[in-house]
Amino acid sequence: DTGVSQDPRHKITKRGQNVTFRCDPISEHNRLYWYRQTLGQGPEFLTYFQNEAQLEKSRLLSDRFSAERPKGSFSTLEIQRTEQGDSAMYLCASSVPQGVDGNTIYFGEGSWLTVV
Amino acid sequence: AQSVTQLDSHVSVSEGTPVLLRCNYSSSYSPSLFWYVQHPNKGLQLLLKYTSAATLVKGINGFEAEFKKSETSFHLTKPSAHMSDAAEYFCVVRMDSSYKLIFGSGTRLLVRP
Repeated sequence: DTGVSQDPRHKITKRGQNVTFRCDPISEHNRLYWYRQTLGQGPEFLTYFQNEAQLEKSRLLSDRFSAERPKGSFSTLEIQRTEQGDSAMYLCASSVPQGVDGNTIYFGEGSWLTVV
Repeated sequence: AQSVTQLDSHVSVSEGTPVLLRCNYSSSYSPSLFWYVQHPNKGLQLLLKYTSAATLVKGINGFEAEFKKSETSFHLTKPSAHMSDAAEYFCVVRMDSSYKLIFGSGTRLLVRP
């Protein structure tokens, strides 16, 4: 078990460009989450998947943001027409609903986005 | 609605002295409570969790927290600070019927030699 894996770890992009982040959850974790963390703040919930179904999106997730989990395994988070305010760390997390470890959410190391 | 208040944005202790990071929560239902730690430029690591079992919860690296319903508190403690404990600590609440985590604003722990 290698934990939650995120790629790329760092991305610098020009304003107006599109970026995509990938998350590979812990094997057999059917729940997957995206959070955003800006400097000096705690993470904020963006969206949640159970298997391939996106069950909730935060109002923080504007129309320029889209997340997918096509086969219920890895997920992608795409930001279109990036703005400087999108600069943040994007955290992916995963969990299982039952068992000893049920509902414990494990985080990846995050993908840092800098929009210049 | 649930919320979490971390009462100190910064805490500074000397190595070998006790650590106390304070957290108060607001929840209408029976909450699940967590403490996560974040080292610089790293993701979040779970320290411990409370899910309505024992009110005193032991976590990794010698940390523990006590759930006090009457005080709506979930303070994090450690008997003796180590230099490697220097990091940002987040108190987190989740309703049992939900899957979203609500994070506090964080407490930065500084450990002086």
